[in-house]
Amino acid sequence: GENVEQHPSTLSVQEGDSAVIKCTYSDSASNYFPWYKQELGKRPQLIIDIRSNVGEKKDQRIAVTLNKTAKHFSLHITETQPEDSAVYFCAASLIQGAQKLVFGQGTRLTINP
Amino acid sequence: DTAVSQTPKYLVTQMGNDKSIKCEQNLGHDTMYWYKQDSKKFLKIMFSYNNKELIINETVPNRFSPKSPDKAHLNLHINSLELGDSAVYFCASSPWLGTGELFFGEGSRLTVL
Repeated sequence: GENVEQHPSTLSVQEGDSAVIKCTYSDSASNYFPWYKQELGKRPQLIIDIRSNVGEKKDQRIAVTLNKTAKHFSLHITETQPEDSAVYFCAASLIQGAQKLVFGQGTRLTINP
Repeated sequence: DTAVSQTPKYLVTQMGNDKSIKCEQNLGHDTMYWYKQDSKKFLKIMFSYNNKELIINETVPNRFSPKSPDKAHLNLHINSLELGDSAVYFCASSPWLGTGELFFGEGSRLTVL
């Protein structure tokens, strides 16, 4: 089955700097890679996703890159703000039939003012 | 008008007891899920239902029994609770099989003493 590894487990950056979180996956059949943000005590919420037919996707300050050959994908947050502080999860699955989203271990991102 | 709602939000009980968590979604989605988030924040799928039919059963002990009376509801009953069952249980839904984004409920924090 799919296995997703996520690094780092914690990340602390100065406000205004960029943050990068990296994930690797094991199943080359996976074709859908979402990122979820979970604020303290709240539910996970989708912030961006990418499918295997594209290499990069941007949404304002957030971007995701995908390298299918190496089986890794990354989340980039630019011009970080205090409200970006949260736990971020990457995930991978095959969008076909029963979707079993496998999550990484999470990265606790702290933005220091 | 909460999209995915779970009850109860908090549950404290003794080992050996039986408890249930209820989930309802008003999004008109076909597919619903139960995820378990342990103390290390790791999110792992337990079950998935599509139009009341069990699609994914992720090697969960048979003390856990999901029930979907209709496609808007997915309940989780747990028998003979153990200390290791302490976690936050998230219900989620998606429009249909293989659509990507999961819409999570607020979570139900179960503490087994």
